[in-house]
Amino acid sequence: DIQMTQSPSSLSASVGDRVTITCRASQSVTFYLNWYQQKPGKAPKLLIYAASSLQSGVPSRFSGSGSGTDFTLTISSLQPEDFATYYCQQSYSTPMYTFGQGTKLEIK
Amino acid sequence: QVQLVQSGAEVKKPGASVKVSCKASGYTFTTYGITWVRQAPGQGLEWMGWISAYNGDTKYTQKVQGRVTMTTDTSTSTAYMELRSLRSDDTAVYYCARVYLVGVFPTFDIWGQGTMVTISS
Repeated sequence: DIQMTQSPSSLSASVGDRVTITCRASQSVTFYLNWYQQKPGKAPKLLIYAASSLQSGVPSRFSGSGSGTDFTLTISSLQPEDFATYYCQQSYSTPMYTFGQGTKLEIK
Repeated sequence: QVQLVQSGAEVKKPGASVKVSCKASGYTFTTYGITWVRQAPGQGLEWMGWISAYNGDTKYTQKVQGRVTMTTDTSTSTAYMELRSLRSDDTAVYYCARVYLVGVFPTFDIWGQGTMVTISS
């Protein structure tokens, strides 16, 4: 099974900060990497697919990069509504999927 | 609009079974797969399995293999997830999601609202 490891597990930042979250796969997943945002009590929301493609309706301050085993999610200028938990997910071994353990983004 | 609506919260005793439903609307049900993801209280997302709404093919994670059955009813555009021999660590919110291909890339683009399943004696 492909394992996904995110870092950090939690992060404190301020409105306006640039933030980067990292996701590492235990083997190459090429570009089959998605990012989701989850707010408390809500279902996850798709942000980025295919490592770097922005889902329709998602603000352009979100961006993704990487390929193979190493990926990043960047928020260029944090907004109050961005404080949430972020998950990476590999879809390379479809229809078997794996999530990272999550990164909780908190207000400093 | 495209949506998935799940059944309500359940409380079950250890050893019992639970069956959660996920009704799709706003799209052709048989065109896309349905996946199930659970989240224990305060924990991360755990992928459980997938079912093709086209032909009923399934794939389950090893952790629940043997205890889970995913099915669909195409006449009502509803997916079901049944989990048997329930244990306390099955207490979680259970989500269904549509598996949508963007080109060749699978995504979970539409999610149900979640169903809380509590296992308690």
